[in-house]
Amino acid sequence: DADVTQTPRNRITKTGKRIMLECSQTKGHDRMYWYRQDPGLGLRLIYYSFDVKDINKGEISDGYSVSRQAQAKFSLSLESAIPNQTALYFCATSPGGWETQYFGPGTRLLVL
Amino acid sequence: AQSVTQLGSHVSVSEGALVLLRCNYSSSVPPYLFWYVQYPNQGLQLLLKYTTGATLVKGINGFEAEFKKSETSFHLTKPSAHMSDAAEYFCAVSGNTGRRALTFGSGTRLQVQP
Repeated sequence: DADVTQTPRNRITKTGKRIMLECSQTKGHDRMYWYRQDPGLGLRLIYYSFDVKDINKGEISDGYSVSRQAQAKFSLSLESAIPNQTALYFCATSPGGWETQYFGPGTRLLVL
Repeated sequence: AQSVTQLGSHVSVSEGALVLLRCNYSSSVPPYLFWYVQYPNQGLQLLLKYTTGATLVKGINGFEAEFKKSETSFHLTKPSAHMSDAAEYFCAVSGNTGRRALTFGSGTRLQVQP
């Protein structure tokens, strides 16, 4: 079984809809991250969490919110989706420090 | 502040030829440097990393990179390209202190011609 899982893997939604992307990990890591990937821009950090009570904004947090429900679960929400949030979203984990990050398979989101 | 510049969004080489993917960084503190690879329809996986110590770092699949502080570079090389190396490669930097996040470059897509 994969160590970092993301659901759904693909999602199509309409402008203005609320949507939640979920991430679960079995690696026992304290740190979790949400990134978005756009062609030609690499990965940009949306939010990160060092533990359940420590959540921080990343480079591009506007229009997004997160919830760390447990050590193993970190959800990303788009409160009112807009077309320029169409992207590939990745969840990642790390054990501590800015060490190797372990990525999930990604969620491809299309906002119409 | 920190940033990463990857020169060349697309690189094409022949099978068996040298692979050289360029990465330059800026960081106000001693950096940790990483190369990640993304195969089609997959997440990223770590190729290699530099934290401290030896400046020539060896990774998986025959790749290596050398940290050159004077040139602020961390270029990725492989002596002989294989068809299976076709993927997108990302260089990333983080500070070795505090709560600095990983900052990724924009990526280089490697194409390997038969």
